[in-house]
Amino acid sequence: GAVVSQHPSWVICKSGTSVKIECRSLDFQATTMFWYRQFPKQSLMLMATSNEGSKATYEQGVEKDKFLINHASLTLSTLTVTSAHPEDSSFYICSASGGASILETQYFGPGTRLLVL
Amino acid sequence: GNSVTQMEGPVTLSEEAFLTINCTYTATGYPSLFWYVQYPGEGLQLLLKATKADDKGSNKGFEATYRKETTSFHLEKGSVQVSDSAVYFCALSALTNAGKSTFGDGTTLTVKP
Repeated sequence: GAVVSQHPSWVICKSGTSVKIECRSLDFQATTMFWYRQFPKQSLMLMATSNEGSKATYEQGVEKDKFLINHASLTLSTLTVTSAHPEDSSFYICSASGGASILETQYFGPGTRLLVL
Repeated sequence: GNSVTQMEGPVTLSEEAFLTINCTYTATGYPSLFWYVQYPGEGLQLLLKATKADDKGSNKGFEATYRKETTSFHLEKGSVQVSDSAVYFCALSALTNAGKSTFGDGTTLTVKP
């Protein structure tokens, strides 16, 4: 089956620093990648959609200057949390889909837990 | 807009009991429907999906049927195991929303031996 990896799985950083999270599709080409945020015991909140080679589309209320997304290749997307603050602490999950249809199944990464001190 | 409503949890069952987790949706057009499972500390795994009315998705003993007339996609399993303890998310994806997924709030299932 399709495999999506995320790195790192855990990150602890000091307030004010930037953190980069990688999302890779290991055995397929991901034309679209999605970034989600999940708070404890809650559902997933879509942050942005990225297509390879173009700018990410952010959901309403998500600061694009704070959450920088780059989808430079068909197998890699990165989310950079700039000048992180404690309120940015969360579980970040990416998903990837390939194929021509936008209704292709999304395959999820294992998530990255970010703790900002 | 699109929405997914799931049965509120938590759900606690004894091993080998029958499981139903209700899911209803609101969407324009003809969405694809999904069930995902999330184990503690992990990302989501696709459990099953259905892409058109009357389709039945099945995997690992779980089943769900796409019912357009009742806009439902209830998850069922005949005999649950302790290892099925997890959070289950119902979701839809629709062309009218550029393929973005809309998730329910999740239902926590605990199976006791």
